Amino acid sequence: AQSVTQPDIHITVSEGASLELRCNYSYGATPYLFWYVQSPGQGLQLLLKYFSGDTLVQGIKGFEAEFKRSQSSFNLRKPSVHWSDAAEYFCAVGYGGATNKLIFGTGTLLAVQP
Amino acid sequence: DTGVSQNPRHKITKRGQNVTFRCDPISEHNRLYWYRQTLGQGPEFLTYFQNEAQLEKSRLLSDRFSAERPKGSFSTLEIQRTEQGDSAMYLCASSLYLPGSHSNQPQHFGDGTRLSIL
Repeated sequence: AQSVTQPDIHITVSEGASLELRCNYSYGATPYLFWYVQSPGQGLQLLLKYFSGDTLVQGIKGFEAEFKRSQSSFNLRKPSVHWSDAAEYFCAVGYGGATNKLIFGTGTLLAVQP
Repeated sequence: DTGVSQNPRHKITKRGQNVTFRCDPISEHNRLYWYRQTLGQGPEFLTYFQNEAQLEKSRLLSDRFSAERPKGSFSTLEIQRTEQGDSAMYLCASSLYLPGSHSNQPQHFGDGTRLSIL
């Protein structure tokens, strides 16, 4: 069955430190992969997406993610975290395409220490 | 691009009452999706439309739930005889599907409707 795993429920980093959020997926075909961010009480904002081509994708707010087919992973990174990055981050896979249903992970809650 | 709009933002109701939520997608988007998100979880797919046609429904969508998109623009999600377990954030998203392409347009989400059942 198709699934997305985010193994870290909660991560705390210091402001200015680097960040990596892990995401593993289980999907039989070529995946359409996404990272979304959600602030409290808000909807989801798209950070970046991978459909094909270059496996290192750049997104908004200085985030990037790398698709590794051999590891079934799509980890999100940022070299220097800002306090405003504190939020919940969701990895998702497009089931049969980006415009079909999305399957989400359970999310990683990021806290940023001053 | 005014974004996806959902109303109301919050709804508090008593168990057993009916509720209806509205979603207005981005104007040029022909696909519209509903998801449900409970505390501490990621969104779960409920259903989606292409224009006015409902293309897929999740098993999560019980008989008490009905979604419509009568003119292919806005959509409504109705829950009849609400239960405690219906308390959640209901998220709407939209995207542009281009026939013959690899359907690689991302989904854009609204801010959701938070439903609380007393």
